[in-house]
Amino acid sequence: QVQLVQSGAEVKQPGASVKVSCKASGYTFTDYSLHWVRQAPGQGLEWMGRINPNGGGTNSAQNFQGRVTMTRDTSISTAYMDLSRLRPDDTAVYYCAREDSLKGDCFDPWGQGTLVTVSS
Amino acid sequence: EIVLTQSPATLSLSPGERATLSCRASQSISSYLAWYQQKPGQAPRPLIYDASNRATGIPGRFRGSGSGTDFTLTISSLEPEDFAVYYCQQRSSWPLTFGGGTKVEIK
Repeated sequence: QVQLVQSGAEVKQPGASVKVSCKASGYTFTDYSLHWVRQAPGQGLEWMGRINPNGGGTNSAQNFQGRVTMTRDTSISTAYMDLSRLRPDDTAVYYCAREDSLKGDCFDPWGQGTLVTVSS
Repeated sequence: EIVLTQSPATLSLSPGERATLSCRASQSISSYLAWYQQKPGQAPRPLIYDASNRATGIPGRFRGSGSGTDFTLTISSLEPEDFAVYYCQQRSSWPLTFGGGTKVEIK
């Protein structure tokens, strides 16, 4: 079955960077874009950006431009999201989600989420 | 940036009742709207795409409608497992955006 498995929780100091991975299985990795969405504690969903694994092209939200880097390694069907210059308000669960182009580009499935805590 | 406004913020209902959730876009998004359900500690899951199409495995009690700027998610008869937070999301233009969510809680 189609599955996205993310890397484990991270604790980072302010100013540091974090890299979250998202390993895909059950489908051809390069056929579907992957998105990154975050959710601060008790808050709603915030779209961060997306990567097209076929070519590596990216789009990101203005809020994160200059701080977020999305990459992929097609040989291991894995996408990465690197967020730099971390602040305490970057504390959130970070999700990857596949863009299902056969179903209105809705996000399906989602990874299990990666909690990133930014604290000194 | 397209802003999605969901209302109400919280809906208090009993099992078996009908739930009506609203999502309003700041400009026309045609039918490029999806709905997601999220339960505590879980990732969101898709319910509806392109305003009115049910995602795989979603029961018929979930119905999406609307186009342009006004959209509705209707749950015809609430089951215990339907109490959750619901988000709308648009794909009409970059950046993609989500609404703030509606929590459906047990009355």
